[in-house]
Order: sequence, then structure tokens, then C-alpha cells
Amino acid sequence: KQEVTQIPAALSVPEGENLVLNCSFTDSAIYNLQWFRQDPGKGLTSLLLIQSSQREQTSGRLNASLDKSSGRSTLYIAASQPGDSATYLCAVGGFQKLVFGTGTRLLVSP
Amino acid sequence: DGGITQSPKYLFRKEGQNVTLSCEQNLNHDAMYWYRQDPGQGLRLIYYSQIVNDFQKGDIAEGYSVSREKKESFPLTVTSAQKNPTAFYLCASSPDTLNIQYFGAGTRLSVL
Repeated sequence: KQEVTQIPAALSVPEGENLVLNCSFTDSAIYNLQWFRQDPGKGLTSLLLIQSSQREQTSGRLNASLDKSSGRSTLYIAASQPGDSATYLCAVGGFQKLVFGTGTRLLVSP
Repeated sequence: DGGITQSPKYLFRKEGQNVTLSCEQNLNHDAMYWYRQDPGQGLRLIYYSQIVNDFQKGDIAEGYSVSREKKESFPLTVTSAQKNPTAFYLCASSPDTLNIQYFGAGTRLSVL
């Protein structure tokens, strides 16, 4: 059974700092990996999707990497801003469904 | 304006009552999903549907039921058999089961 772990559970940084969020998974037989953002009391917004054949994806200040062999993905946020404050969830795509981690709650202070 | 609409935003259930959460999408997606989110936990899959008139149980289907009579609609019924229904419920859709999932704004269900 696929298990997804995100470390740290919470992170507080000053504005402008570069940061890395970590995601690990137990079964390397995945189809893809997705990173989502969730604001308090809201739904999820897809940030990046990495297919199993890819090593990384970039969108603006965000860069996500995938290492299937080690069961790890990282989300790199460059030059963090207060508007980046949210919970970030990774989800591993298996056959027909996603398995979610518990998320990292990020607070970026002005 | 394309997207996924969940209603209501807040819902209260009385003891022994069945309640239905609505999920509508106009993205022309084949696949639709229902997730439950509890505080401090990740999303857990309740049911999913890959095509009209077909659906499969997820990891925590007990006490829930769904239907998929139309491509754009995937309602979730929380039955009286679900003894701990208080949670945030999220509906999602995707072009297929290997693609990006798009989420609605969620319904928060509480027990009176």
C-alpha cells in the first residue's frame, strides 16, 4: 500500500528566502506526482504535475523534482512571498487514483 | 467560466439523517472523485468514477454512496451508517485518471 510522507509538517520563513518542501513515498511504481496548494478552508489548486518519466517541472518560482528510485520529490520555492503562505500537498498518482501526503503548512512573514 | 461547483458550502446533519452533497463540473471531464479531509490529515478517497454509470469504491467508502447518471454530475450521499461524518469534503475531476485533478471549493459537513 502506497504511503506518502511530507516533512516538515510546518515551516515558517521570512520573506525572500528560498525553501524546499519534501515528499517521500514507499512504492516507486507510480504514474505521476502532483503538488497542490490549499488555502485555509478552500479547495486544492494544482501547482505542478510530474509524469513518471520526467525528472522535474518548473512553473514560475516553483520547481518540482522527482526521483522515483529513492521515492522522493521536492518542491523548491524561490524568493518566497507572504502570498505563498498556504498548505502544500503532494499526491502520488497510482493506477486510477491519487494518494495524498498530510501536507506542509508554510508561513512566509513580511 | 469553467470549473467545479460544490454545494452547499456548509451542511449540517441530524442524527440518523442522510444528506447529499452536490458536485457539478463543466470541464467535460470523464473522471470524477470524492475525497474526505480531516484536520491534520491528507485527503482520503471515498469514491471515484471514470465514466458515466460507473463508479468504484475508494479507501473509505463505508457509509457513503454515489451515482453518476450524467457526465457533469457526481453527487455524494452521506448515509446514517457513517458514524463520524464531520469533515471537509472535496470533489475533483480530471480528463482521465492519469491527469491533473481539478478541485471544487469543498463542503464542510457538521453533525448537529
